[in-house]
Amino acid sequence: DSGVTQTPKHLITATGQRVTLRCSPRSGDLSVYWYQQSLDQGLQFLIQYYNGEERAKGNILERFSAQQFPDLHSELNLSSLELGDSALYFCASAGQNEGEQYFGPGTRLTVT
Amino acid sequence: GDSVTQMEGPVTLSEEAFLTINCTYTATGYPSLFWYVQYPGEGLQLLLKATKADDKGSNKGFEATYRKETTSFHLEKGSVQVSDSAVYFCALRGMDSSYKLIFGSGTRLLVRP
Repeated sequence: DSGVTQTPKHLITATGQRVTLRCSPRSGDLSVYWYQQSLDQGLQFLIQYYNGEERAKGNILERFSAQQFPDLHSELNLSSLELGDSALYFCASAGQNEGEQYFGPGTRLTVT
Repeated sequence: GDSVTQMEGPVTLSEEAFLTINCTYTATGYPSLFWYVQYPGEGLQLLLKATKADDKGSNKGFEATYRKETTSFHLEKGSVQVSDSAVYFCALRGMDSSYKLIFGSGTRLLVRP
């Protein structure tokens, strides 16, 4: 158990819909990273937050957004969903010195 | 930009065989290097890491040495077990301010009894 929690574990929704994925980092970790794992793109970095502020963006679509709240949990919002958004979404957290990243169990999103 | 290349899988071995999974990288400066493992239906677990040239990371019988001259970080284990069956990802953390991980494509290992 990494100490990072993600909910829900599975999500099935239809094209055009909007979903919210939630991540709680390890106790004391200030950084949260979001990654997408798909068959065609592999594991790709989406976005990073540090202590409530956006720090870096990767290959994140404009339909996707994220935020980190004062209690340090983070949410990834995916809207106008397309079939190609079906993937595993992981969050990871890291401590103040940005050492190792610890990954949550992931949320499997299926868009039908 | 920075990138990681891993050998294609699947790699199929018999129990107690020697394992090598090749990983090479392209990066500016001196990135930190990692191996993560993903067991079926689970998230990624950090297996080992190395932060500078000639460092050897090791954990649970797995080892990898940071070779700057060959830009490689090959994963090895002397005697694999059925329980090692998983997908292994090589990753680097670059020198920019984001500290994001850049992953290879993953190598599936299947160990047969």
